Order: sequence, then structure tokens, then C-alpha cells
Amino acid sequence: DTGVSQNPRHKITKRGQNVTFRCDPISEHNRLYWYRQTLGQGPEFLTYFQNEAQLEKSRLLSDRFSAERPKGSFSTLEIQRTEQGDSAMYLCASSADRRSQYGYTFGSGTRLTVV
Amino acid sequence: AQTVTQSQPEMSVQEAETVTLSCTYDTSESDYYLFWYKQPPSRQMILVIRQEAYKQQNATENRFSVNFQKAAKSFSLKISDSQLGDAAMYFCAYRRSYNTDKLIFGTGTRLQVFP
Repeated sequence: DTGVSQNPRHKITKRGQNVTFRCDPISEHNRLYWYRQTLGQGPEFLTYFQNEAQLEKSRLLSDRFSAERPKGSFSTLEIQRTEQGDSAMYLCASSADRRSQYGYTFGSGTRLTVV
Repeated sequence: AQTVTQSQPEMSVQEAETVTLSCTYDTSESDYYLFWYKQPPSRQMILVIRQEAYKQQNATENRFSVNFQKAAKSFSLKISDSQLGDAAMYFCAYRRSYNTDKLIFGTGTRLQVFP
């Protein structure tokens, strides 16, 4: 078990470009979460999946953001037409179905810089 | 809407001493979970301790303990015998007990530990 893996670790992109991040959860975890963390702030919830079903989405997840988990394993988070305000750390986490109340396991995050 | 407030942006403590980090929250729910997460400079969030609201007994994990005051909606973290490795950002988080897995985080407290 290598924990929650996120790729890439860092991404620099020009404003207006599309970016995609990948998250590989712990293999036996069927719940997967995406959070966004800006400098000096706590993580903010974006969305979460139970298996391949997206169960909840934040209003922060505008129509430029989309998340998928097609086979209930890894997940991708895509941001279209990036803006400077999208610069942040994007955190992925996972948990097992009956243990989500015990907290998540987080990945190391993908830091996005939009220039 | 639920909110979590950490009023101490920074705290410092000398090695081997005790420090308490404050957290207050606002909710109309009676059943929920509270968490403290640690985020070292490497950025991976680690669960430190959790508390179930229906339990009156304060949670303890080795050198970490909480003071949970449900009526006051207060959830402070006490770190005893502080070590250099305790230096990190500490986030308090809230989760309703039903219908969601979403964590609501505070803005964090940066803890410095001096030798």
C-alpha cells in the first residue's frame, strides 16, 4: 500500500489552457475526495465519489471544473480555460466505505500555478 | 451552514513543553465528528485525532489530547512534551454525521517548536 498518489506534483500553465490532474487512491478505498487549498487557507471541499458515482459537488466546482472516476479506481480532475484564481494546491483523499467517519488519507497534492 | 474557526494563526512552543491550539465551530446538528489534521511542510495532511460528538470523553492519542466542550462548541488540541517534529500547520475540521462525507476545515494554526 503506497498511500494516495497524485500526479503531477507541480503544474505550471498559461491562463486559458486546460489542465488535468490524476489521483490514485488506496486500493481498497472506494471513496475518493477532491479539495482545493489556497495559500493561508484550509482545504475547501470540491467533490467526492463513492465508487464511480459522484455523490456531492461543491458550488466551488464551476462549469470549468469536472471530475471523473470512470471505473471506481483512479480519478481525474480537469480544469478548462484556467484562470489565475485557479492557482492552488489540489488535494485528493480516500477512505473506505464504512470508515469515512474516521477521517481520510490524503495525498501530497498537485500544486497548480496559472501564469 | 457549518463553520470552523481557528483564531490563532501562529503559535510557538519550546521543546518538551505543552501547547494548546484552539478551535470553535458552529453547527445546529447534535451528532457530528471533529478532527485535527497536521500538515507538515511536505504538505501531506495527516490525521492527528478525532472526536465523536456523542461521546463525552475527550479523545487521546499518545501526546495529543482534546478538550471537547460541546455546549460551548469548542474543540481544542493539547500537545504535550512537544517535539521538533510537531512543527506544522494544524487544521481543525468538522463533519456532519449523516448524508455527507464533506469535511469543513478551519484556516489553520502554524505551530513552531523551538529547541
